[in-house]
Amino acid sequence: DAGVIQSPRHEVTEMGQEVTLRCKPISGHNSLFWYRQTMMRGLELLIYFNNNVPIDDSGMPEDRFSAKMPNASFSTLKIQPSEPRDSAVYFCASRRDGNNSPLHFGNGTRLTVT
Amino acid sequence: AQSVTQLGSHVSVSEGALVLLRCNYSSSVPPYLFWYVQYPNQGLQLLLKYTTGATLVKGINGFEAEFKKSETSFHLTKPSAHMSDAAEYFCAVLSGGYNKLIFGAGTRLAVHP
Repeated sequence: DAGVIQSPRHEVTEMGQEVTLRCKPISGHNSLFWYRQTMMRGLELLIYFNNNVPIDDSGMPEDRFSAKMPNASFSTLKIQPSEPRDSAVYFCASRRDGNNSPLHFGNGTRLTVT
Repeated sequence: AQSVTQLGSHVSVSEGALVLLRCNYSSSVPPYLFWYVQYPNQGLQLLLKYTTGATLVKGINGFEAEFKKSETSFHLTKPSAHMSDAAEYFCAVLSGGYNKLIFGAGTRLAVHP
């Protein structure tokens, strides 16, 4: 089991540029979550998908953020245009439906917007 | 709505001492509760979980937690701290139709010699 795979591990970009973060969930997991972690706000849920369909995007900070899940094995989180306050670690996580099923996290993408 | 409160953003213990990290939850339905650990530059890893059944749950690395419904608590303990336990610990409750995990603010554990 390869675990949840995120790329890139680190991203440094200039303000105004488009940023795309990628995630491959664990095979067989039908829910996928995007989280953002900062010192100030802790771990925030941005959006989650179930069976490739966005279920709750109430945590997406603003229209500059968008997420897609075109198939069961791939998701993207896009920020366009990026701003310095978007600097954070972004985590993708996946789980199998069921009360007993834990969430499995990727190692995150550390985004720095200058 | 479900929520989680972790008391103490920082806890410091001596190596070999008892570790106690506090978590209280709020839930209108029977809760499903989790503890996760995060080491530097890594994602969160599951330590243990409570769903139903035995209220004392054992996890990895010698950690355990006890679900106490009367106190709405799910505190994490370890009898003897090790230097390698230094990390950030998150308590979480399953919410949103049992599909969304709600995390506490986290507790950073420091272990000193």
